[in-house]
Amino acid sequence: GAGVSQSPRYKVAKRGQDVALRCDPISGHVSLFWYQQALGQGPEFLTYFQNEAQLDKSGLPSDRFFAERPEGSVSTLKIQRTQQEDSAVYLCASSFSSSHNEQFFGPGTRLTVL
Amino acid sequence: SQQGEEDPQALSIQEGENATMNCSYKTSINNLQWYRQNSGRGLVHLILIRSNEREKHSGRLRVTLDTSKKSSSLLITASRAADTASYFCATDEESGYSTLTFGKGTMLLVSP
Repeated sequence: GAGVSQSPRYKVAKRGQDVALRCDPISGHVSLFWYQQALGQGPEFLTYFQNEAQLDKSGLPSDRFFAERPEGSVSTLKIQRTQQEDSAVYLCASSFSSSHNEQFFGPGTRLTVL
Repeated sequence: SQQGEEDPQALSIQEGENATMNCSYKTSINNLQWYRQNSGRGLVHLILIRSNEREKHSGRLRVTLDTSKKSSSLLITASRAADTASYFCATDEESGYSTLTFGKGTMLLVSP
């Protein structure tokens, strides 16, 4: 595909439910980032992958959040036992290399926890 | 935590006018990037300026960077209604893995 894609675009979950959010980065992009954007705020970093290696997960808010990229392409962000404060837009971005370059963002997944 | 602070938080102008948004940050950076976000959409990359650059142009966009003051500005000339969006600055710090630290954004409204 031409850009970063994410699915689902919208997810409504009941509190306590587990959710899985998918990101398909641009083909060949080495770096993959997950960000969380609360309403009216800028995105905040969650975690970073270089190929299949998760090099930084310092932004994950709790141990209920887990991310993987097993084959170095598609990534999944999983949130266990969702809470209302997890409601946000989850953005995925990819970058061609591990150097400091522009990141290409997907449309995001809007998660609403009831 | 968010590093950048955009100013103003909201800006309302008429089509054809220029729009200027400012961004301040706290740490040493490798580069600073500006992004646009339309309501309900993802972020679109506008321009990247590296720490050793002072000014950069792209079409109707002009970005300046002053590393001594830890600040940047984004100028949109001859604005159009389609420029209505939120604009974010994001810093890529010298240390670390190119993760971006975003500000809270400036909401720009361009009226026809």
